[in-house]
Amino acid sequence: KAGVTQTPRYLIKTRGQQVTLSCSPISGHRSVSWYQQTPGQGLQFLFEYFSETQRNKGNFPGRFSGRQFSNSRSEMNVSTLELGDSALYLCASSLTDRSNEQYFGPGTRLTVT
Amino acid sequence: SQKIEQNSEALNIQEGKTATLTCNYTNYSPAYLQWYRQDPGRGPVFLLLIRENEKEKRKERLKVTFDTTLKQSLFHITASQPADSATYLCALDNQAGTALIFGKGTTLSVSS
Repeated sequence: KAGVTQTPRYLIKTRGQQVTLSCSPISGHRSVSWYQQTPGQGLQFLFEYFSETQRNKGNFPGRFSGRQFSNSRSEMNVSTLELGDSALYLCASSLTDRSNEQYFGPGTRLTVT
Repeated sequence: SQKIEQNSEALNIQEGKTATLTCNYTNYSPAYLQWYRQDPGRGPVFLLLIRENEKEKRKERLKVTFDTTLKQSLFHITASQPADSATYLCALDNQAGTALIFGKGTTLSVSS
């Protein structure tokens, strides 16, 4: 079974730009969660989607948004990028929700200059 | 607000010994707790999940305990090997049940 894939793997953007990251979950998994990982804050929850609906949202500004498509693929968008948005963005999929084991993708390394 | 703390940032042990990592949490009782392994530059890999009504769970050389009275989980790797060197993360749901909170992790180094 193919694992979780994320594209692109690396991205360099300029402050003020916007970015869209993509995540394809494991086939059959309906829940997709997004996390931001930085050396200082560790792994922080961004949002969780299930069947195209955002089920939960972490404590991030409205510049961070996401969506899930009918095939469970998910995208997250960050608008008006700030230097502090530089991080590893991880997507995780699970069968139903995060109370079951989650399978993480390799992440997208975003650098904002 | 709830806090989750992993006992130390780094743990160095010799090959063959048992590594014990600690995860402490405060302010409430989560329904479950998860442990993940993360290698540099890669996403975390799920290892074990233990629910509040389970005292202990094992998988090969791994063992997790969950003490809801002490608000603590212990993660053991027996007969450790250099290949076990990685960062280990614990995670649990926040009190509102709306987000998974991760500890900062403990980086384990196993020397031969």
